[in-house]
Amino acid sequence: DAEITQSPRHKITETGRQVTLACHQTWNHNNMFWYRQDLGHGLRLIHYSYGVQDTNKGEVSDGYSVSRSNTEDLPLTLESAASSQTSVYFCASTGHVAGELFFGEGSRLTVL
Amino acid sequence: GIQVEQSPPDLILQEGANSTLRCNFSDSVNNLQWFHQNPWGQLINLFYIPSGTKQNGRLSATTVATERYSLLYISSSQTTDSGVYFCVGSSNTGKLIFGQGTTLQVKP
Repeated sequence: DAEITQSPRHKITETGRQVTLACHQTWNHNNMFWYRQDLGHGLRLIHYSYGVQDTNKGEVSDGYSVSRSNTEDLPLTLESAASSQTSVYFCASTGHVAGELFFGEGSRLTVL
Repeated sequence: GIQVEQSPPDLILQEGANSTLRCNFSDSVNNLQWFHQNPWGQLINLFYIPSGTKQNGRLSATTVATERYSLLYISSSQTTDSGVYFCVGSSNTGKLIFGQGTTLQVKP
């Protein structure tokens, strides 16, 4: 079965370190998204991509970057982790603009 | 931008009760989905329902696209139904718009 997977599922890091969260989907979806979820804020869009070599900033992109070198993967990088980036991160994908959305299992990141 | 209002924000039910959750959009959306976020944090697809009615076991959903709302029905609720229910739509530009969720607690 096609799926979308995130890794690691849990990570603890220190302030200032670089962290990369992986997202891999096997649906061959063009559209991929990264969200963070915090209490009181719901799901907020960090970055998104509509295809290979395409990346776009979302509403909370500061301190994050993504790259899209193939269809299956959209890694999310925190260049210099900050305590404010402690959150649960969700990756999602859709096949087209109005297509069904699928989420990964989430990655819980703690920045000390 | 398009606004989404979910109601009620919080709901407490006794096991076995029925409930209806509502999602209103301020403008037309291209598709609509319902998700359940369980107590472990997983976001589970319930329905992809741009219009019409679908049923899956004790759950069913109806979207009236022309009136910009969707309803999620939960019948004979169980404790495993507890969690947060989100509706999501997409604008003409492909932007995904999330509701703030309905937090459901089902008591045994």
